[in-house]
Amino acid sequence: LAKTTQPISMDSYEGQEVNITCSHNNIATNDYITWYQQFPSQGPRFIIQGYKTKVTNEVASLFIPADRKSSTLSLPRVSLSDTAVYYCLVGDVDSSASKIIFGSGTRLSIRP
Amino acid sequence: DADVTQTPRNRITKTGKRIMLECSQTKGHDRMYWYRQDPGLGLRLIYYSFDVKDINKGEISDGYSVSRQAQAKFSLSLESAIPNQTALYFCATSERGGTGELFFGEGSRLTVL
Repeated sequence: LAKTTQPISMDSYEGQEVNITCSHNNIATNDYITWYQQFPSQGPRFIIQGYKTKVTNEVASLFIPADRKSSTLSLPRVSLSDTAVYYCLVGDVDSSASKIIFGSGTRLSIRP
Repeated sequence: DADVTQTPRNRITKTGKRIMLECSQTKGHDRMYWYRQDPGLGLRLIYYSFDVKDINKGEISDGYSVSRQAQAKFSLSLESAIPNQTALYFCATSERGGTGELFFGEGSRLTVL
């Protein structure tokens, strides 16, 4: 069961690029890396998922080095509305739901 | 309308009362989940169901029970609520298991006095 470690909180300013790193030293061969975003009093929302190298969508980019022991969620040109908690999850696409762990996440605060 | 709907959105009750939180979905997914979130913490899995005949305990099932009435409906019950069950509860669905994308409802905030 791959455990993840993320910073508890981060601060940035509007217009900046924000990078949130997640450590997952014991990631297994079949594990994928998934990021969710949660606004206050709302359910988490899927942002991006990847296995290796780089994945990009309309919201974010996910960078995964060759050893896959960490990953970085990159949010380009953040705005106030990006203030949220971001969760990094690691798990096999075929694993039981009970093995997919939401940690405490990273609380990102964006300032004007 | 939301794809995953939870009712009630807010509920205040007293210790010892029976409470039911309901979840319905229009995603057409077989897999449904109930999570609990405490302030400043991540989500913890209470129960999950892969189809109408399949119910599984999660990390923190003690004190809770569930019913999967149909593919689209999954309810969570607290038979005798206690104050430390005060939390934000989320229902979710997914098309596939493991790290398949989870679709969450807007949450049900429960306060047990």
